[in-house]
Amino acid sequence: QQPVQSPQAVILREGEDAVINCSSSKALYSVHWYRQKHGEAPVFLMILLKGGEQMRHEKISASFNEKKQQSSLYLTASQLSYSGTYFCGTYGSSNTGKLIFGQGTTLQVKP
Amino acid sequence: AAGVIQSPRHLIKEKRETATLKCYPIPRHDTVYWYQQGPGQDPQFLISFYEKMQSDKGSIPDRFSAQQFSDYHSELNMSSLELGDSALYFCASSLSSSHEQFFGPGTRLTVL
Repeated sequence: QQPVQSPQAVILREGEDAVINCSSSKALYSVHWYRQKHGEAPVFLMILLKGGEQMRHEKISASFNEKKQQSSLYLTASQLSYSGTYFCGTYGSSNTGKLIFGQGTTLQVKP
Repeated sequence: AAGVIQSPRHLIKEKRETATLKCYPIPRHDTVYWYQQGPGQDPQFLISFYEKMQSDKGSIPDRFSAQQFSDYHSELNMSSLELGDSALYFCASSLSSSHEQFFGPGTRLTVL
């Protein structure tokens, strides 16, 4: 089942913060976060594992609430380079590495 | 560092033609995944291989087939192409012991 992301789109000024949420109706083992620039490949940001710690990639961090079956991505002091579409991904039921992505959140950072 | 290589990067085909997309995973990666991404959509899982055996299958049409060869490269074969097959096709690779999937640059397929 596809995870649900919110919001669908965010517009920020440089230096502002943003939060992107990813929730699932089924129990999560892990949540993967990717960023994709237009026409380019998704780039891995981080993975949150069940029972694991909050992760960080530069000024981007993420948390995983197993009870709520939700993960949040926190972008702090956003930079122009943060612009792109953020996808969360969860494993399908077979846990073979097949990622089911959310519909994406488009982030635009303006000067 | 070596990345996932995909070829060709762009491909234009007519309806009902066939296409073959190639993927060369990062050296020593044992798992390959194929994803299809339509315009403005999220990547959709098609199929995956672990150690040259199909490990999982997603929403892959019967007109498509794929395999992984002894050198670990993979090919996605697409026949009887339809307009709706126009999309970006990504290959990703990983080590089975890791959760991180590295995506290739993609092949943009346009069906006219």
